[in-house]
Amino acid sequence: KQEVTQIPAALSVPEGENLVLNCSFTDSAIYNLQWFRQDPGKGLTSLLLIQSSQREQTSGRLNASLDKSSGRSTLYIAASQPGDSATYLCAVRVNNDMRFGAGTRLTV
Amino acid sequence: DAGVIQSPRHEVTEMGQEVTLRCKLISGHNSLFWYRQTMMRGLELLIYFNNNVPIDDSGMPEDRFSAKMPNASFSTLKIQPSEPRDSAVYFCASSLWEGYGYTFGSGTRLTVV
Repeated sequence: KQEVTQIPAALSVPEGENLVLNCSFTDSAIYNLQWFRQDPGKGLTSLLLIQSSQREQTSGRLNASLDKSSGRSTLYIAASQPGDSATYLCAVRVNNDMRFGAGTRLTV
Repeated sequence: DAGVIQSPRHEVTEMGQEVTLRCKLISGHNSLFWYRQTMMRGLELLIYFNNNVPIDDSGMPEDRFSAKMPNASFSTLKIQPSEPRDSAVYFCASSLWEGYGYTFGSGTRLTVV
């Protein structure tokens, strides 16, 4: 069964700092990996989707990488802002099913 | 497209009552997923459908939970009878095919008192 782990569980950084969130998964046979953002009391907003054949995706200040062979993904946030404060979740899709990590709570 | 639409946004009910949560998929999507989110357990997959057919319901906690997809664009999740431990945020999400990402609804916050 696919296990998805996110470290750290919580992270606090000063405004302007660059930061990296980590995601690891146990089964490399994935279709894709998706990073989401969740604000308190809100739903999940998709940030980036990386297909299994891709190495990275970029959107604005966000860059996500995928290393399928090692079962790892990172989300890089450049020049962090207070508005980036939220919980960030990664999810991997295996077959027609998506498994989520527990998330990293970011405070800027 | 209005995205994935869930109703109601909030539901407060008494223990023992029947609760029905509703979800409308994005037009053209053929996969539908129900998740439950709690502080203790995070996001848990309850059940998913592909082309209106339930594929995996192993995440449904008990027989008190049931889900249907009467047509290609609509699904319901029913809890009967509801219990306080069912209190959580219930999300549905839809997708087009395996290579696609998920689009989530805004969720239904259920409180059973």
